[in-house]
Amino acid sequence: AQSVTQLDSHVSVSEGTPVLLRCNYSSSYSPSLFWYVQHPNKGLQLLLKYTSAATLVKGINGFEAEFKKSETSFHLTKPSAHMSDAAEYFCVVSDDSGGGADGLTFGKGTHLIIQP
Amino acid sequence: DAGVTQSPTHLIKTRGQQVTLRCSPKSGHDTVSWYQQALGQGPQFIFQYYEEEERQRGNFPDRFSGHQFPNYSSELNVNALLLGDSALYLCASSFGTGPFEQYFGPGTRLTVT
Repeated sequence: AQSVTQLDSHVSVSEGTPVLLRCNYSSSYSPSLFWYVQHPNKGLQLLLKYTSAATLVKGINGFEAEFKKSETSFHLTKPSAHMSDAAEYFCVVSDDSGGGADGLTFGKGTHLIIQP
Repeated sequence: DAGVTQSPTHLIKTRGQQVTLRCSPKSGHDTVSWYQQALGQGPQFIFQYYEEEERQRGNFPDRFSGHQFPNYSSELNVNALLLGDSALYLCASSFGTGPFEQYFGPGTRLTVT
């Protein structure tokens, strides 16, 4: 079984300051982990993915995430927030259960607010 | 290169009716997954289709069924609609099965009255 917990439902930062969105996961197998972003009235866009290669993963738009197995965490960071980053962010896990088909398990989402 | 497309964009149905939603995967993808996203929630996995078969299913009742066609496109059918079925239905495609990244369509907004 797999699950994801996003520790903050809302995060508010000022433009130009760092962003930290926290995610903990639970997985019975070697997990693949993703962050997706959803802007209002737009589809889900993949920001970055971890699939057992480098633990520090770089994504689009300056985002990165670090996989920490000992802490079962996959927090998303960005050094400097931009107004266009305001959106809903989802941490997602998928088990490499070897069974073939794998659905993604989403967290409840973190709403990122950027203050001017 | 066309991404994932879904139709219709919006749909309004009455309780007890049946609905069919459609999805065309991204070019080169052969696997389609469906998700339900209630307002203010993260998407929930309904099922996944590969080689025209349902390969995995989430915690959804049998009222939710699907189909995949030889051209990899897919349909989601929901019978005996309930008010609680009102949600954004998302289709995602990928190449092959397994824990690969999935590419999402814009979704179909279903409202049940």
